[in-house]
Amino acid sequence: EAGVVQSPRYKIIEKKQPVAFWCNPISGHNTLYWYRQNLGQGPELLIRYENEEAVDDSQLPKDRFSAERLKGVDSTLKIQPAELGDSAVYLCASSPGTFYGYTFGSGTRLTVV
Amino acid sequence: KQEVTQIPAALSVPEGENLVLNCSFTDSAIYNLQWFRQDPGKGLTSLLLIQSSQREQTSGRLNASLDKSSGRSTLYIAASQPGDSATYLCALTGANSKLTFGKGITLSVRP
Repeated sequence: EAGVVQSPRYKIIEKKQPVAFWCNPISGHNTLYWYRQNLGQGPELLIRYENEEAVDDSQLPKDRFSAERLKGVDSTLKIQPAELGDSAVYLCASSPGTFYGYTFGSGTRLTVV
Repeated sequence: KQEVTQIPAALSVPEGENLVLNCSFTDSAIYNLQWFRQDPGKGLTSLLLIQSSQREQTSGRLNASLDKSSGRSTLYIAASQPGDSATYLCALTGANSKLTFGKGITLSVRP
């Protein structure tokens, strides 16, 4: 079984530029999460999807961040424009249901210069 | 609001030692608790998942326990090896299906 696939693995951009991250969850996992992890910290939730519906986006900075999950499968997280403080690792996770726990991808390390 | 604490932030032990990593939480209304391992620059690898109704789970040299009444979980690593060096995070799924993480414990096992 393929795991959660994220791309790109690394991204370096200048501030004020846009950036997008892509996530392909495990097949059959209806729930998809985007987390942000700052250095030395635990991951923090940005948004949670149940199929194609965003059911918890309370922590998503909506002035510059957006996300979509078309057809309830792949998901894209976008930042526009990026700021220096957005430098972090962006993690995607999926789950078939709360009872089963979560599977994380390898993450995208974003550096904004 | 659920708060998850992992102390100490870092731990260094000699190879072969048995060790315990602690995780404490403030809200006992949880679905489950999951322990993850994170290697530098990598994503999170699930180690053990304990459901709310369970007291412990075991996988190889790892044993995780859960005591909801005291708001604590422990990850026991037997006969530690240098390859166990990594950051270990605990995370809880709350009643709102939100996964809340601790900051992790960075373990170094010295040969």
